[in-house]
Formats: sequence, structure tokens, C-alpha cells
Amino acid sequence: QQPVQSPQAVILREGEDAVINCSSSKALYSVHWYRQKHGEAPVFLMILLKGGEQKGHDKISASFNEKKQQSSLYLTASQLSYSGTYFCGTLGGTSYGKLTFGQGTILTVHP
Amino acid sequence: DAGVIQSPRHEVTEMGQEVTLRCKPISGHDYLFWYRQTMMRGLELLIYFNNNVPIDDSGMPEDRFSAKMPNASFSTLKIQPSEPRDSAVYFCASSQHRQGASYEQYFGPGTRLTVT
Repeated sequence: QQPVQSPQAVILREGEDAVINCSSSKALYSVHWYRQKHGEAPVFLMILLKGGEQKGHDKISASFNEKKQQSSLYLTASQLSYSGTYFCGTLGGTSYGKLTFGQGTILTVHP
Repeated sequence: DAGVIQSPRHEVTEMGQEVTLRCKPISGHDYLFWYRQTMMRGLELLIYFNNNVPIDDSGMPEDRFSAKMPNASFSTLKIQPSEPRDSAVYFCASSQHRQGASYEQYFGPGTRLTVT
């Protein structure tokens, strides 16, 4: 079952912060985050494994609440290069490989 | 490394024709994935392989689609016969499974398929 991302779209000014949420109705083993720029392939950002850990990638960080089956991606002091579509991909149990992607969140950063 | 390589990058074909998409994964990666992306359905996993063996093909839409991985460095996705609703961007991705560690997927540039 496809995870649900919110919001569907975000418009920011450079320097502003944003949060993108990903919720699943299934128990999760891990959550993957990818960014896709227009006309390009998705690019891996980070993976969070169950355990409530938080990871960071430059000024982008994420958290994973396995009890709530939710993950959030935090973009701090956004840059123009952050624009794109952000996807979460969820993996249930230990069935390696079968990621189910959310519908994506379109992030637009203006100067 | 050159990354995941896909060919062709663009394919325009007529309904009923056979289409073959090709993928070369990153050397040393033991998992290979085929995805399809459309505006309506988003990013869907079609099939994935582990050590050249198909593990899960439940995402393959119908019998017109088939995928093979004859060796560790090559995979094909074939559509025969093609239909207009197959128009999409098809991505190939690969990853390396390391026990107890993360295993990010690396995507190829995609093949944009248009069936007229």
C-alpha cells in the first residue's frame, strides 16, 4: 500500500524551512528519501531504519517514528538547489528491495 | 564508476511494435530494479532481481511485459506488443545489499517511451 506524503506541494523563499511528512498504514522496517529534479532520475538522500533514528545530509535531516509508522524530512535554510520532487519509499518487514514510493511532494524554492 | 546506464534514452514507437529497454547496473551491485513513472501512477516497481534471479514480478502490469537478466551486468525489459498506455519513463536502479547496513538505490537516467 502506497505511503501518503504531505503536503503535496510547497513553495518557499530561499532561507526558509520546510517539513515533508510520509505516513504508512503498514509496519515499516525502513524509510528511504529521494529527490528528483525535473527530467532527471531520482537521487538518494538518506535511509532511516527502525529505531527512531535521525539522520542528516547537509541541511536536510529526517526522523523516523516506527510506532506511528511515520517519517519526516526537514529542509533547513532552503537553497535554490533544493527544488524538486521529494519521494519517500517505504519497506515493510525485512523483504529487501520492494520499495513502495509515495506520490511525491513538489518543493519549489524562489530567490 | 559510470553509474547505472540505460539505453535508449528516448524511444518512439507505434502501437503493436516490440520495445526493448536495456540496463547496465553499477558493477558489484547484486540487486537490480525496474520502475515505471507516470503522472497518474507515480513511481511503480515493476520487477526486481537478486544475483540475476527475478525475486518479485508482481508489479509487471501484464503478460505483454517481460524482463530478463542474463548476467550481472545486463538486463532487459521488453514490451510486446506495445500500447499507448505504456508511454512512461522507465527507470532501472541497482543497489548493493550489505548485511545490517543501509542499501540505497542508484537510478539510471531513464528511458522515455512514447507509443503512438
